[in-house]
Amino acid sequence: ETGVTQTPRHLVMGMTNKKSLKCEQHLGHNAMYWYKQSAKKPLELMFVYNFKEQTENNSVPSRFSPECPNSSHLFLHLHTLQPEDSALYLCASSQDPGQGADTQYFGPGTRLTVL
Amino acid sequence: GQNIDQPTEMTATEGAIVQINCTYQTSGFNGLFWYQQHAGEAPTFLSYNVLDGLEEKGRFSSFLSRSKGYSYLLLKELQMKDSASYLCAVRDTDYKLSFGAGTTVTVRA
Repeated sequence: ETGVTQTPRHLVMGMTNKKSLKCEQHLGHNAMYWYKQSAKKPLELMFVYNFKEQTENNSVPSRFSPECPNSSHLFLHLHTLQPEDSALYLCASSQDPGQGADTQYFGPGTRLTVL
Repeated sequence: GQNIDQPTEMTATEGAIVQINCTYQTSGFNGLFWYQQHAGEAPTFLSYNVLDGLEEKGRFSSFLSRSKGYSYLLLKELQMKDSASYLCAVRDTDYKLSFGAGTTVTVRA
């Protein structure tokens, strides 16, 4: 399944580094999402973009900065992260977030470790 | 906020049946999803329920009772490859999707 791809799959970074996560969807969807998944915790929605416009920022710290240049690509820029930011970062896409049956399709995630 | 509860872990034998329960308290309801997530992989869509009743898809079935705020995912004829985490997610009236913490199912030979 290569509908939603994410790079890199694994990332180790220091607290002073700047890095970016990339997501690309090949499904022709209009909406893209960033989620954070920590062990034994529910997926936490971070950002939502619909038709390239940010429609949701779920009180995410400013050290996480999203960018959506078009409906197929989504980035998450990281800077001065904390060790508690270590988690699996999942990207998802869907056709229409305003529909009840709208199904989100996920990428494999980036496993981030902050030292 | 939203409250979605599901058991943390379940263990079953190959060929058996396992039922994963999910209860929810959310601000409105616009459907309930089940996802399967193998370790280190993407969550994959299993089912969607918006009306009360049972939806069957091969070995997997999902049930919903809106009045009780309750759903279950039924896995029949368990196979080793069914060992995974199963995520319950509810869409509220603002169309936001909230997830439970997931149930890790271990299938033993």
